[in-house]
Amino acid sequence: GQQVMQIPQYQHVQEGEDFTTYCNSSTTLSNIQWYKQRPGGHPVFLIQLVKSGEVKKQKRLTFQFGEAKKNSSLHITATQTTDVGTYFCAGALRFGNEKLTFGTGTRLTIIP
Amino acid sequence: GAVVSQHPSRVICKSGTSVKIECRSLDFQATTMFWYRQFPKQSLMLMATSNEGSKATYEQGVEKDKFLINHASLTLSTLTVTSAHPEDSSFYICSAGGTASSYEQYFGPGTRLTVT
Repeated sequence: GQQVMQIPQYQHVQEGEDFTTYCNSSTTLSNIQWYKQRPGGHPVFLIQLVKSGEVKKQKRLTFQFGEAKKNSSLHITATQTTDVGTYFCAGALRFGNEKLTFGTGTRLTIIP
Repeated sequence: GAVVSQHPSRVICKSGTSVKIECRSLDFQATTMFWYRQFPKQSLMLMATSNEGSKATYEQGVEKDKFLINHASLTLSTLTVTSAHPEDSSFYICSAGGTASSYEQYFGPGTRLTVT
């Protein structure tokens, strides 16, 4: 079955440092989504990437989708304490009402 | 964005009893909802896809007779954990959305089940 792995599993950074999490799928994806889950909370949608090689930015967050549509990355510039949480990528094989396979997640903690 | 609610938010039950969890889309209609289970410090594992008016589609390894799903309307799906055991203790989360025009899935706040 489809597997989606993320590295690293944990990341501790000083406030102000950059952070990157990498996502790799065992199969080619139609699109990939990123979610953030705060401790004790539920996943919240961040963004979706659809096109091969696509790059999207949201303020300090930069998302990339690989050319082969099997990998993705999320980069946060100058982390802040509000960035704390677990970041999940989630891959979909088809558009529309299709199930997502969630990655293993990267838990980010910030050292003030 | 759209709102999905879950009830209850927390439940403690005795081993052998059944627990029903409700998932509602409050301001949109959802023909499809998804049920996930999340163990502490782990990822979300899809349990089943709930289809309005038809049988749910279960993921491999998920017992359909143990985790009963009913999607009776376009705004409500229920998950019933039957004959619960301590190993069923987990965080259960539903989501809705992911249509052809809106890829985003909206997650409910989750239900933490503890079986004693």
